[in-house]
Amino acid sequence: SQTIHQWPATLVQPVGSPLSLECTVEGTSNPNLYWYRQAAGRGLQLLFYSVGIGQISSEVPQNLSASRPQDRQFILSSKKLLLSDSGFYLCAWSRLQNTEAFFGQGTRLTVV
Amino acid sequence: GEDVEQSLFLSVREGDSSVINCTYTDSSSTYLYWYKQEPGAGLQLLTYIFSNMDMKQDQRLTVLLNKKDKHLSLRIADTQTGDSAIYFCAGGGGSYIPTFGRGTSLIVHP
Repeated sequence: SQTIHQWPATLVQPVGSPLSLECTVEGTSNPNLYWYRQAAGRGLQLLFYSVGIGQISSEVPQNLSASRPQDRQFILSSKKLLLSDSGFYLCAWSRLQNTEAFFGQGTRLTVV
Repeated sequence: GEDVEQSLFLSVREGDSSVINCTYTDSSSTYLYWYKQEPGAGLQLLTYIFSNMDMKQDQRLTVLLNKKDKHLSLRIADTQTGDSAIYFCAGGGGSYIPTFGRGTSLIVHP
């Protein structure tokens, strides 16, 4: 069976510090991978998606970046966090040609 | 791209039925989905409907799809306090990227 792991679960970081959130998927190959952000009281905002290793599409220009160094690994990064980067970050995967998405448990990021 | 709209809040009494509505713009979605998000957790797929269906029933859940009006609804019968959560509808659109509404917060009170 397929599983998705996302860590850490919570993170408190000072403004200006770097960020690295990691997501891995097990039990499938060549998944579509997604990073979403959910600000407090708001819906899901798609940040990045990837259809293959090294292929990253950005939906929203900002100071975040994503990388996919391996088939089932998706990393969300920032060189310098802003207060506005606070939120709940969700990693998800789906099979090609099928948009049923499977989500990780999320990372609660608080930038102070 | 796909736009998905939902009302933000719904409050019901325990035991009543809940109906959560959603409208979408892209008619090319093959499937339409309902997800549930409990506090502090990721989203879990609740149910889905194939785009050539009008209705799907799964225990207490009934999904209705009106393709002409691009309207999707989720009915929860005999709503329980454990049903309190945020419910998202989602479609795939032509690009197969899941596109989510803003979510409807369902509040169930005794």
